[in-house]
Amino acid sequence: QSALTQPPSASGSPGQSVTISCTGTGNDIGTYKYVSWYQQHPGKAPKVLIYEVSERPSGVPDRFSGSKSGNTASLTVSGLQDEDEADYYCCSYAGSNNWVFGTGTKVTVL
Amino acid sequence: QLQLQESGPGLVKASETLSLICSVSGGSISSSSYYWDWIRQPPGKGLEWIGSVDYSGRTHYNPSLKGRVTMSGDMSKNQFSLTLTSVTAADTAVYWCARHRSRPYSGYDLGFDYWGQGTLVIVSS
Repeated sequence: QSALTQPPSASGSPGQSVTISCTGTGNDIGTYKYVSWYQQHPGKAPKVLIYEVSERPSGVPDRFSGSKSGNTASLTVSGLQDEDEADYYCCSYAGSNNWVFGTGTKVTVL
Repeated sequence: QLQLQESGPGLVKASETLSLICSVSGGSISSSSYYWDWIRQPPGKGLEWIGSVDYSGRTHYNPSLKGRVTMSGDMSKNQFSLTLTSVTAADTAVYWCARHRSRPYSGYDLGFDYWGQGTLVIVSS
């Protein structure tokens, strides 16, 4: 299974929105609703932001939202804040109890 | 509060076997609601799912690592383990253990919701 494709970088000014894409295939994102997103600050463990495409765990601000269309999932961060500067990874179920992560996107707050 | 802690050698020689243990506290690995997973991240690179073990000992592995990876759980110690054989420099990475609140065949996946602090394993030649 190949890694899901994400843009290497994205940026925005404080208060703006940034959207990160995550492109897979009909064998993963295109078939299953099990897409999650993770935020990782340098030297830290990833933190789940979104699960099942668009659901937020308790404690995650509603500035983070997720969606999916066809083989591509997206994460939108609205009202960018300095602490949103981090790496972001998508993850999708790929069938047969296998999981695949995205290549990762570094978000810079200008 | 659930906590996970990886332990094991930080340096492994090429062609040898990497062995790590994840100790879980504040919760039981015998719960049927979760998988217990290993994920790794080479320095400066992205995340790679390695595999999972559940309460019954059922395992699932990344096809790209199949044949080299073995995972198991020890209910008595509330630990689960990872063994990776015939390691090369490409296996140098931070290795994370994580709880995966997921049962795709039962209709839910809440993601990898608890992670250990990660342990760096360097494969030396």
